[in-house]
Amino acid sequence: QSALTQPPSASGSPGQSVTISCTGTSSDVGNYNYVSWYQQHPGKAPKLMIFEVTKRPSGVPDRFSGSKSGNTASLTVSGLQAEDEADYYCSSYAGSNNYVFGTGTKVTVL
Amino acid sequence: QVQLQESGPGLVKPSETLSLTCTVSGFSISSGFYWGWIRQPPGKGLEWIGIIYYSGRTYYNPSFKSRVTVSVDTSKNQFSLELSSVTAADTAVYYCVRSVSRSETFDYWGQGTLVTVSS
Repeated sequence: QSALTQPPSASGSPGQSVTISCTGTSSDVGNYNYVSWYQQHPGKAPKLMIFEVTKRPSGVPDRFSGSKSGNTASLTVSGLQAEDEADYYCSSYAGSNNYVFGTGTKVTVL
Repeated sequence: QVQLQESGPGLVKPSETLSLTCTVSGFSISSGFYWGWIRQPPGKGLEWIGIIYYSGRTYYNPSFKSRVTVSVDTSKNQFSLELSSVTAADTAVYYCVRSVSRSETFDYWGQGTLVTVSS
């Protein structure tokens, strides 16, 4: 299984929006509505931000939203804040009790 | 509050077996959910290794299948990872996680432990 493709970096000014893409195949992202997004600050464990493409766990701000079209999922962070600067990883269920992660995107708040 | 904590040697010699244990607090493993391992080589992305149900049912990443064993000890509320025949490429931060099967996501993570493979 190959890793899902994410852009290496993305950036935006405080208050702006940034959207990160996560491209897979018809065997993973395109076939299941089980895409998750994780935020990882340096030296810390990843934190679940979005699951089942669009759902937010309790405590995650509604500035974070997810969507999917075909084989590509997206995470949008609206109203960027300094604390949103982190690495973001997508993951997808790939069938047969198998999971694949994205290559990761570093978000910079300018 | 569910908490997970990894423990084990931080240094393993090449060709030997890497062994880690995850202790879960605030939740009984026997209550359900899958429990698993994810790793992250220094400066790189995340890689799913495998998961286990409290009954002992396991699922592994095909990339590791011949080298990996995940086991569970419900009496200690712990689960473990063994990765055999390690090489420098297995150097990584290893995270233990709770896996939500109905959502196919990982909702609780340990802090991670760095394992270095070196002679």
